Amino acid sequence: NAGVTQTPKFRVLKTGQSMTLLCAQDMNHEYMYWYRQDPGMGLRLIHYSVGEGTTAKGEVPDGYNVSRLKKQNFLLGLESAAPSQTSVYFCASKSVSYEQYFGPGTRLTVT
Amino acid sequence: AQTVTQSQPEMSVQEAETVTLSCTYDTSESDYYLFWYKQPPSRQMILVIRQEAYKQQNATENRFSVNFQKAAKSFSLKISDSQLGDAAMYFCAYYSVKLVFGAGTILRVKS
Repeated sequence: NAGVTQTPKFRVLKTGQSMTLLCAQDMNHEYMYWYRQDPGMGLRLIHYSVGEGTTAKGEVPDGYNVSRLKKQNFLLGLESAAPSQTSVYFCASKSVSYEQYFGPGTRLTVT
Repeated sequence: AQTVTQSQPEMSVQEAETVTLSCTYDTSESDYYLFWYKQPPSRQMILVIRQEAYKQQNATENRFSVNFQKAAKSFSLKISDSQLGDAAMYFCAYYSVKLVFGAGTILRVKS
């Protein structure tokens, strides 16, 4: 039981490049989330999904897209990376008891 | 919109002593959940304790306990017998439809 895993752990992009972050969970959770963490600001919700095939916008969705084609996977895409998207990205899934389980994070730097 | 405020950016405690981290939140909901998460330098988000709003009894997990004051919308975390391994960033979080985080409190433990 791996819990929540994220790929990759680190990435450096040039402005304008694209990339996809992959999140996988093996706990059969319906709800999944993508957050970003910036210094002094806690975690902010980017997008979330309440089930396979569904996605919704969070607090800071601009510049990101997501897809949930399979229940266990939740992908976060950056179509044209900007320096403002330099951050640590966390994926999480939520159990029926409302606890969220987090992945180890991805540190993204956009130069 | 719900907000979570942690008014202490940084706290220090001597090993074996007790420390209390403050958290207040703003909501018009009556049914919700509150959490404290710990984030050590490894970046992993670790659930410390949870509290259901409908429960009057304060939650306790070993050395960690909360003081939940629903009317005052206050949710403080008390750490007893502090250990060096408790040093981390602590986030208070509120969940109704989505998880909303405070900005965090850095806890330093002195030996």
